[in-house]
Amino acid sequence: ETGVTQSPTHLIKTRGQQVTLRCSSQSGHNTVSWYQQALGQGPQFIFQYYREEENGRGNFPPRFSGLQFPNYSSELNVNALELDDSALYLCASSLVMGDGGELFFGEGSRLTVL
Amino acid sequence: SQKIEQNSEALNIQEGKTATLTCNYTNYSPAYLQWYRQDPGRGPVFLLLIRENEKEKRKERLKVTFDTTLKQSLFHITASQPADSATYLCALEKTGGFKTIFGAGTRLFVKA
Repeated sequence: ETGVTQSPTHLIKTRGQQVTLRCSSQSGHNTVSWYQQALGQGPQFIFQYYREEENGRGNFPPRFSGLQFPNYSSELNVNALELDDSALYLCASSLVMGDGGELFFGEGSRLTVL
Repeated sequence: SQKIEQNSEALNIQEGKTATLTCNYTNYSPAYLQWYRQDPGRGPVFLLLIRENEKEKRKERLKVTFDTTLKQSLFHITASQPADSATYLCALEKTGGFKTIFGAGTRLFVKA
């Protein structure tokens, strides 16, 4: 059973550019959530995908968008990057939704916006 | 607005002692409360889940309490070891909810 994997692990972009982050969920998990974690802060919920549909969204602007594919892997896209988007982006998969199911996190993608 | 508060100051304790971390929340009625461990530059790792109708949960050296009246959870690590040094995150979820929300975490240092 493979865990949650994310790519790339590190990347540097400039303000105004676009970025795509990828996540492969744990085998058998149909729910994927994305979080943004700034330095010294807790993870902030961006959105969740369940069976290829966005199931809920946090307080993030529309330039944060995502996709989930039939194999339950997922992408996070951020357009028009801003300096404040610099953070660790975490993907978490889970087997159940809304039942307190534990989240299995990947190691994250560290994004730096210059 | 919903708020989760964890002690922002780092907790320094001596090896062998019990570490106690606090999680307080407001404007929220969670059905589930979870604790995660996060090492620097790594993703959080799940430790324990406690439900709103449970008062206490144990797992090896870990113990969690959940007081829905006080809106507080306490997380204890007994016989602490230097390897327990990490950031510990409190997380809440409602019944049928689609998102788990996290506190900022408390950094624990265990000195040998």
